[in-house]
Amino acid sequence: GAGVSQSPRYKVAKRGQDVALRCDPISGHVSLFWYQQALGQGPEFLTYFQNEAQLDKSGLPSDRFFAERPEGSVSTLKIQRTQQEDSAVYLCASSRGQGTAKDQPQHFGDGTRLSIL
Amino acid sequence: AQSVAQPEDQVNVAEGNPLTVKCTYSVSGNPYLFWYVQYPNRGLQFLLKYITGDNLVKGSYGFEAEFNKSQTSFHLKKPSALVSDSALYFCAHYSSASKIIFGSGTRLSIRP
Repeated sequence: GAGVSQSPRYKVAKRGQDVALRCDPISGHVSLFWYQQALGQGPEFLTYFQNEAQLDKSGLPSDRFFAERPEGSVSTLKIQRTQQEDSAVYLCASSRGQGTAKDQPQHFGDGTRLSIL
Repeated sequence: AQSVAQPEDQVNVAEGNPLTVKCTYSVSGNPYLFWYVQYPNRGLQFLLKYITGDNLVKGSYGFEAEFNKSQTSFHLKKPSALVSDSALYFCAHYSSASKIIFGSGTRLSIRP
């Protein structure tokens, strides 16, 4: 497809389990972003990749959160030992170039809705 | 702290009437501002951005936004609302090379 693809769309896990969320950016897009969107809130920045390099991970809420993009295309966000407060929609976005966030629009996937029981 | 604020959680407009979704900013230096729209169970879609230049910015789907420096506002507008415009709207500002900071969102409801 032409857009950003995220899988799974919905994920239910028990507290304490590990989860992995996948993002397929638009082909050729250099920049990739992860956001967390709690119910009724705006997305909050988690981390940013330029190709395979993770240039900013300042938004990751704890060391239980880990993201990677080993070949500069597909990215995985992993959450270890999930807690109920991790329940949210996780959005992935990509943009074409290496420019800053103000230069090119970010194209968002439809997100993964994570529910921790 | 640098931020954007959306003072209205919900805006209700009749179809065919003009609509305004409000956003104010508190940003040092030159503000770089955006509007995004989110339909139910979907990701965000870019509508428009203000970087520099004309204070009236035109975007997708007939939307426009007016940058007002004296009022530190960047309100989203459309002359004639459509039912299909009903969605969640986010104002955002550029924070750093990698980061866009989003407001809390305004739910726009257009009644037929």
